[in-house]
Amino acid sequence: EDQVTQSPEALRLQEGESSSLNCSYTVSGLRGLFWYRQDPGKGPEFLFTLYSAGEEKEKERLKATLTKKESFLHITAPKPEDSATYLCAVGTGGSEKLVFGKGTKLTVNP
Amino acid sequence: NAGVTQTPKFQVLKTGQSMTLQCAQDMNHEYMSWYRQDPGMGLRLIHYSVGAGITDQGEVPNGYNVSRSTTEDFPLRLLSAAPSQTSVYFCASRAGGKNIQYFGAGTRLSVL
Repeated sequence: EDQVTQSPEALRLQEGESSSLNCSYTVSGLRGLFWYRQDPGKGPEFLFTLYSAGEEKEKERLKATLTKKESFLHITAPKPEDSATYLCAVGTGGSEKLVFGKGTKLTVNP
Repeated sequence: NAGVTQTPKFQVLKTGQSMTLQCAQDMNHEYMSWYRQDPGMGLRLIHYSVGAGITDQGEVPNGYNVSRSTTEDFPLRLLSAAPSQTSVYFCASRAGGKNIQYFGAGTRLSVL
């Protein structure tokens, strides 16, 4: 069964304190691994897609990496506006289905 | 472009009532999907469509119907609402050949 597990469930950081979020997955036929950001009361907003082990993508203070079993979302020198829930999802085989993790709620204090 | 627009934003129903959640996109995307998001759970796929006239079931389709008569619209129908359908519903769309899904702002539904 396809499965996505995110850790930690919640993370509190001080502004400027770098850290990483983890997404471990088991899937039959990875079509892609996706990271989304979700602000309270809003829909998920696309951040990155990773397709193969070793791939990395960056956007401002965020960097996503992928191995055969997990992905990391590294946050460098975070700011309060980075506070949000970060969702990881995997696409499988030829299906339209995305399997989502439960998310990591990140709070960055000034 | 407005992107993906969902209406209504909030809805309260009584058990047994029916209603339709509306979803429209103005990006000419072929693929559209409906998800539900419940506390402590990841988003789960309800139904999806790969083009006008073509729909298929996702992970949790029971109690919901969909149709896709136009590229732009993908309504989700609750046939006889149950308290277990209390959730936040998100509609998403993507272009064929692209893996980026664009989500609407969601409809928050309570079934009493």
